[in-house]
Amino acid sequence: ETGVTQSPTHLIKTRGQQVTLRCSSQSGHNTVSWYQQALGQGPQFIFQYYREEENGRGNFPPRFSGLQFPNYSSELNVNALELDDSALYLCASSLLRAQANEQFFGPGTRLTVL
Amino acid sequence: SQQGEEDPQALSIQEGENATMNCSYKTSINNLQWYRQNSGRGLVHLILIRSNEREKHSGRLRVTLDTSKKSSSLLITASRAADTASYFCATDEGGSYIPTFGRGTSLIVHP
Repeated sequence: ETGVTQSPTHLIKTRGQQVTLRCSSQSGHNTVSWYQQALGQGPQFIFQYYREEENGRGNFPPRFSGLQFPNYSSELNVNALELDDSALYLCASSLLRAQANEQFFGPGTRLTVL
Repeated sequence: SQQGEEDPQALSIQEGENATMNCSYKTSINNLQWYRQNSGRGLVHLILIRSNEREKHSGRLRVTLDTSKKSSSLLITASRAADTASYFCATDEGGSYIPTFGRGTSLIVHP
């Protein structure tokens, strides 16, 4: 088991609402990435934060936003929820270095949008 | 978009048999990683192979990388029921070092 934790475990929202998901990184890691995983699919990269700055972004609209805090914990915010946002949201922490980016994943937050 | 694609999509074997999964990708990479995911939970990192490596071993796992064919394979020897999971390859392109995941192979090992 890694030291990455996520909260909440499950969440049910209705269309149009806003949601905040939280992630606590593994000790010593300075980078956090967020992924969306729809049922039966692989994780899709949303964005990555390195030392509180966005360090890369996938093909997701601006209503997906994030924050990384000085203690390297992180939030994913999604505004104006849509039915297609229903998915497992995974955060992964890592130590960014030049040659590799092995990621340690949390257990995920399962979001259901009704 | 997904860089890597795993094959087969699903694999069902008996305990004790070997399981082989393949991953193909489209552009040049720095590294290729394999992850395991149990039943909709978080992913667990299995092994990383760099673009200048051809083969790596970790316990019952053997990974090969053929950059000329843009493909990799994951071999699990002497499989166990506990190996039942989805397996994903993840590649990072060029200067990105951000892993991009495929759709995964669902492995079922029957006791």
